[in-house]
Amino acid sequence: KAGVTQTPRYLIKTRGQQVTLSCSPISGHRSVSWYQQTPGQGLQFLFEYFSETQRNKGNFPGRFSGRQFSNSRSEMNVSTLELGDSALYLCASGYSMSTGELFFGEGSRLTVL
Amino acid sequence: AQSVTQLDSHVSVSEGTPVLLRCNYSSSYSPSLFWYVQHPNKGLQLLLKYTSAATLVKGINGFEAEFKKSETSFHLTKPSAHMSDAAEYFCVVILPFSGGYNKLIFGAGTRLAVHP
Repeated sequence: KAGVTQTPRYLIKTRGQQVTLSCSPISGHRSVSWYQQTPGQGLQFLFEYFSETQRNKGNFPGRFSGRQFSNSRSEMNVSTLELGDSALYLCASGYSMSTGELFFGEGSRLTVL
Repeated sequence: AQSVTQLDSHVSVSEGTPVLLRCNYSSSYSPSLFWYVQHPNKGLQLLLKYTSAATLVKGINGFEAEFKKSETSFHLTKPSAHMSDAAEYFCVVILPFSGGYNKLIFGAGTRLAVHP
């Protein structure tokens, strides 16, 4: 069974640009959740999608958005990038985030210059 | 506030010696608790979970954790460290969230170093 796949693995952007990250969950998983990981703030929950609907959202500004497609693949978008958005963005899939049993991808490392 | 606290940001042990990574939680509810591990440049992997069944939980790679309600703790242990255990470990609690769904709260992480 293939694991969670995130693309791209690494990317560099400049302030003011936008970025789209992609996550392909494990087959059969309908829940995809996104997390931001930084040395200063640790792991912070961004949002969860389940069957194409956003079900949970963390405390991030509206510049952070996401969506989920009918095949459960998910994308997250960050607009008007700021230096502080530099981070490792992790996505996780599962039958439901509420179970706590999640399978994580290796992440997309975003550097904002 | 309901949260999870990992008491050590760094732990260093010698190969073959026991590992203890400490986690305390704060919750008004009977919590579900988890330990995840993250190896360098990798995503997180579930080590073990506690969901109100047995208080001593066995996980992968020889790790165990004991839920102690009186101490509000869920410490992770391993009798004998291996070099491959060097990683960052996260204690996680599930809390009720708006709309009837739950959310995960991650501890700050404990970086485990294993020396030969």
